Amino acid sequence: ETGVTQTPRHLVMGMTNKKSLKCEQHLGHNAMYWYKQSAKKPLELMFVYSLEERVENNSVPSRFSPECPNSSHLFLHLHTLQPEDSALYLCASSGQGWGTEAFFGQGTRLTVV
Amino acid sequence: QQPVQSPQAVILREGEDAVINCSSSKALYSVHWYRQKHGEAPVFLMILLKGGEQKGHDKISASFNEKKQQSSLYLTASQLSYSGTYFCGAHGGSQGNLIFGKGTKLSVKP
Repeated sequence: ETGVTQTPRHLVMGMTNKKSLKCEQHLGHNAMYWYKQSAKKPLELMFVYSLEERVENNSVPSRFSPECPNSSHLFLHLHTLQPEDSALYLCASSGQGWGTEAFFGQGTRLTVV
Repeated sequence: QQPVQSPQAVILREGEDAVINCSSSKALYSVHWYRQKHGEAPVFLMILLKGGEQKGHDKISASFNEKKQQSSLYLTASQLSYSGTYFCGAHGGSQGNLIFGKGTKLSVKP
């Protein structure tokens, strides 16, 4: 248990569906991240929020839409996904700056059919 | 820019040592090391900060050479529990920007 909780743990969705992934942390961290991890691929940074503002968006397709309503919650809204978007989506949180460790959630295993 | 890890995979017998390397083409402010077991979230091992420090955690230690923009993770007298994929994360100083390498898969056999 890392203190970062992701729901759901598993999700199967059709290409025309709209769904959301949720991440929650009560560690007092003010930076939160979404990473994508596919088979044989590294952890790909998707979005970074720091103090509830989006700091980085690494050219992620618009069918992925993040939302950070407060420093404890992070969402990833999904719509019209493609089968190649099937992957493990990991949320992480950390304190500010480059000297603080990141804590990861257990991930949501997404399958797009 | 993604750091480069080597080797991609390594197989050890219990008790043997291993070194995993991580290098970056950009200046680093810190290097993070994580281990991920199959089906689980990555777990933090250690952070090395700019300044060329070395850290240790039980029989796992690491060094950071900021001039060479490299970090190495040393696993001595490996145990079965060390098996997993090791990721280095490079922090280039931008706020909240932690980029991971492709990982090194370590398998420790009895």
